[in-house]
Amino acid sequence: DTEVTQTPKHLVMGMTNKKSLKCEQHMGHRAMYWYKQKAKKPPELMFVYSYEKLSINESVPSRFSPECPNSSLLNLHLHALQPEDSALYLCASSQVGGTVGTDTQYFGPGTRLTVL
Amino acid sequence: KQEVTQIPAALSVPEGENLVLNCSFTDSAIYNLQWFRQDPGKGLTSLLLIQSSQREQTSGRLNASLDKSSGRSTLYIAASQPGDSATYLCAVRVKEYGNKLVFGAGTILRVKS
Repeated sequence: DTEVTQTPKHLVMGMTNKKSLKCEQHMGHRAMYWYKQKAKKPPELMFVYSYEKLSINESVPSRFSPECPNSSLLNLHLHALQPEDSALYLCASSQVGGTVGTDTQYFGPGTRLTVL
Repeated sequence: KQEVTQIPAALSVPEGENLVLNCSFTDSAIYNLQWFRQDPGKGLTSLLLIQSSQREQTSGRLNASLDKSSGRSTLYIAASQPGDSATYLCAVRVKEYGNKLVFGAGTILRVKS
């Protein structure tokens, strides 16, 4: 099973709402990632968790708050977002964390977020 | 800073044609290079991964090559089909961050029947 699942598929929220995006994988991967993809642009890395610890934060605003409760789950908590945060949010996982980056990243289908 | 460029930005070909997509990167200090396919509004599907020590990888009608010293990779698609229509993204895993993928902007491919 090489599947990464993400929920919800679509999310519409106001600027004062609090919502969460969820990502799950059961491949035994120990590295998980959040990417943001604006329309007609490539994905951009937001966060990396390696062995359930945050290893990379790409200077993402604090209105995005990641959480990795266990090795299979990754959440992205959203609060006080701006309309420019509307994008496709992609989760990915890979087998190896740390500095040995030889493995394939597997991506989920994404959550389409619209901020009104 | 690693930069990845993909040429052409868009490509339209008749069905059955063989085609080549190009990817170049500025810093040869990479772990690997990965080609992805993305359908509109969907996630990314990994097509091929080439480790930095490898020269090429093949999967079905797809063949990807890597020339790390010159900072280039090509994705060759044989006997293209309308179902191949998608955006193809090239990404390199950079050594400055062990797990960071840097993506190119993609090539939008349309195969006409």
